[in-house]
Amino acid sequence: KQEVTQIPAALSVPEGENLVLNCSFTDSAIYNLQWFRQDPGKGLTSLLLIQSSQREQTSGRLNASLDKSSGRSTLYIAASQPGDSATYLCAVGASGGSYIPTFGRGTSLIVHP
Amino acid sequence: KAGVTQTPRYLIKTRGQQVTLSCSPISGHRSVSWYQQTPGQGLQFLFEYFSETQRNKGNFPGRFSGRQFSNSRSEMNVSTLELGDSALYLCASSRDPPPENEQYFGPGTRLTVT
Repeated sequence: KQEVTQIPAALSVPEGENLVLNCSFTDSAIYNLQWFRQDPGKGLTSLLLIQSSQREQTSGRLNASLDKSSGRSTLYIAASQPGDSATYLCAVGASGGSYIPTFGRGTSLIVHP
Repeated sequence: KAGVTQTPRYLIKTRGQQVTLSCSPISGHRSVSWYQQTPGQGLQFLFEYFSETQRNKGNFPGRFSGRQFSNSRSEMNVSTLELGDSALYLCASSRDPPPENEQYFGPGTRLTVT
C-alpha cells in the first residue's frame, strides 16, 4: 500500500526566503506525482504535475523534482511571498491497474511580511 | 471559462439521513473524481467517473455511491450518515481520465453530520 509523507508538517518563514518542501513515497512504481496548494476552506489548485519519466517541472518561482528510485520529490519555492501562505499537498498516482491517487497530509506554510 | 462547480457549499445533516452532493465539471471535461478530506484521515480518493462509467473506486463502504450523467455532471450519495462522514467533499474534473490528464478541483461541499 502506497504511503506518502510530507515533511515538515508546518513551516513559518519571513518573506523573501527560498523554501524546500519534501514529499516521500514508499512504492516507487508510480505513474506521476502532482503538487497542489490548498487555501483554508477551499479546494485544491494544481501547481505542478511530474510524469514518472520526468525529473523536474518548473512554473514561475516553483520547481518540483522527482527521484523515483529514492521515493522522493521536492517542491522548491523561490523568493517566498505572503501570498504563498497555504497548505501544500503532494499526490502520488500509482502505475498499472487502477489509478487511485494517494495524498500526503500536507505542509502548512506561513510566509510573514 | 467557468471552473468546477459544487453544490451545495455547506450542508448539515443528522445521523441516519442520506445526502446527495452535486458536481458540474469544466465545460468539455468528461472525467470527474470525488475525494473526501477530514482532519483525521487527510484527503482520500472516493471514485472516478468517465463517460457515465465508474472507472476506479477507493476504499470506502458501499454507503458511498455516485453516478455521472450524459452531460458529465456527477452526483455522489451517502446513505445512513455517520458522524465520521463529516468532511469536506471535493470534486475534480479533467478533460480525459487521470493520470495522464491534469485535474482541476472545485471549492468543495462542507458536510456536517450531527
